[in-house]
Amino acid sequence: NAGVTQTPKFQVLKTGQSMTLQCAQDMNHEYMSWYRQDPGMGLRLIHYSVGAGITDQGEVPNGYNVSRSTTEDFPLRLLSAAPSQTSVYFCASSYHGDSAFVANVLTFGAGSRLTVL
Amino acid sequence: QKEVEQDPGPLSVPEGAIVSLNCTYSNSAFQYFMWYRQYSRKGPELLMYTYSSGNKEDGRFTAQVDKSSKYISLFIRDSQPSDSATYLCAMREGAQKLVFGQGTRLTINP
Repeated sequence: NAGVTQTPKFQVLKTGQSMTLQCAQDMNHEYMSWYRQDPGMGLRLIHYSVGAGITDQGEVPNGYNVSRSTTEDFPLRLLSAAPSQTSVYFCASSYHGDSAFVANVLTFGAGSRLTVL
Repeated sequence: QKEVEQDPGPLSVPEGAIVSLNCTYSNSAFQYFMWYRQYSRKGPELLMYTYSSGNKEDGRFTAQVDKSSKYISLFIRDSQPSDSATYLCAMREGAQKLVFGQGTRLTINP
């Protein structure tokens, strides 16, 4: 099992460019999410999904778009990159069901470091 | 005011010391409390999980929840250099989204 795979690991963009951060998991997890991590701010939820075709906004969704066409993949799109989007992005997944325990065990990817100039 | 507050540190202690990491929160409906550990340039991984108030022990780690004070703690006994990492508290209400603290960067000096 590869777990949660994020690509690319590093990316530099210019202001106004668009790009997609890829996330794939092979654990058959229903729940997938994207976080950004900034110094002093902890992990902030951008978007999440509880299954294919279902997405919802988190705490900081502006400037980002997501879709969930398959259980395995959950790409994050930056529509028009801004310097404020310079951050480390983490994709995380878990089971989603009646058992609160399994829903709390988020498996994170290794992160994607994005710099917007 | 953030729903979850955590002192970002950094915290530096000598090897063998007892470490106490803490979070406070404002949402009294939080029921599930977790501690994640994040090594440098890696993703966080779940370290401890507790439900409602009380203590939970796992080896050198003890998680404590005091819902009356809206306060959770993680204690590390006999700390080791390999414990050097950022520790993030996280909590949730029912099936709602996890809310993370800011994380505390911990360094254990040999």
